[in-house]
Amino acid sequence: EAGVAQSPRYKIIEKRQSVAFWCNPISGHATLYWYQQILGQGPKLLIQFQNNGVVDDSQLPKDRFSAERLKGVDSTLKIQPAKLEDSAVYLCASSFGTSGRRTGELFFGEGSRLTVL
Amino acid sequence: TQLLEQSPQFLSIQEGENLTVYCNSSSVFSSLQWYRQEPGEGPVLLVTVVTGGEVKKLKRLTFQFGDARKDSSLHITAAQPGDTGLYLCAGVRSGAGSYQLTFGKGTKLSVIP
Repeated sequence: EAGVAQSPRYKIIEKRQSVAFWCNPISGHATLYWYQQILGQGPKLLIQFQNNGVVDDSQLPKDRFSAERLKGVDSTLKIQPAKLEDSAVYLCASSFGTSGRRTGELFFGEGSRLTVL
Repeated sequence: TQLLEQSPQFLSIQEGENLTVYCNSSSVFSSLQWYRQEPGEGPVLLVTVVTGGEVKKLKRLTFQFGDARKDSSLHITAAQPGDTGLYLCAGVRSGAGSYQLTFGKGTKLSVIP
């Protein structure tokens, strides 16, 4: 079974530039998550989708971050304009919904490491 | 905002030693998960604990969920270099057809050969 795919793996940009990250979740997973992970810390939820609807985007800095989930499958996360403090790993994860006997396990991609200079 | 506090933040031990990592919250969760993350990779689920007082064992790793379902611990017996990594606990809630996870800041474990 293919895992969660993310691209690009690495991106270096200058502040005020824009960047976009792409995520393809595991087939059949209804829920998709974008997390931001600062070096050495735990993941912080940016946005959570259930199919193509937003469940939680309370911690998404909406003045510069945007995300969409195309047709309830793939998703893109965009940052425009980037700031120095946006340097982090952006992790995409997916999971089944709550129907059936699920444990809520999240399956993560390898992440996209962003460096803002 | 529900916070999960993990301690210690960093731990460096010799191979063969035992260790315990703690995860505490003021909130009740429907379940709690432990993940391990290695450099350059995403977190991978180790275990889910659901019932207050539950104890689960995974080879040399023992996980315990507090009676009030607010805290958990991870105990590693005879640590090995392969146990090195970032250990994350996550509180799980469900609603609107999906699961919401809140992660702690993690415990970075280094096991020295």
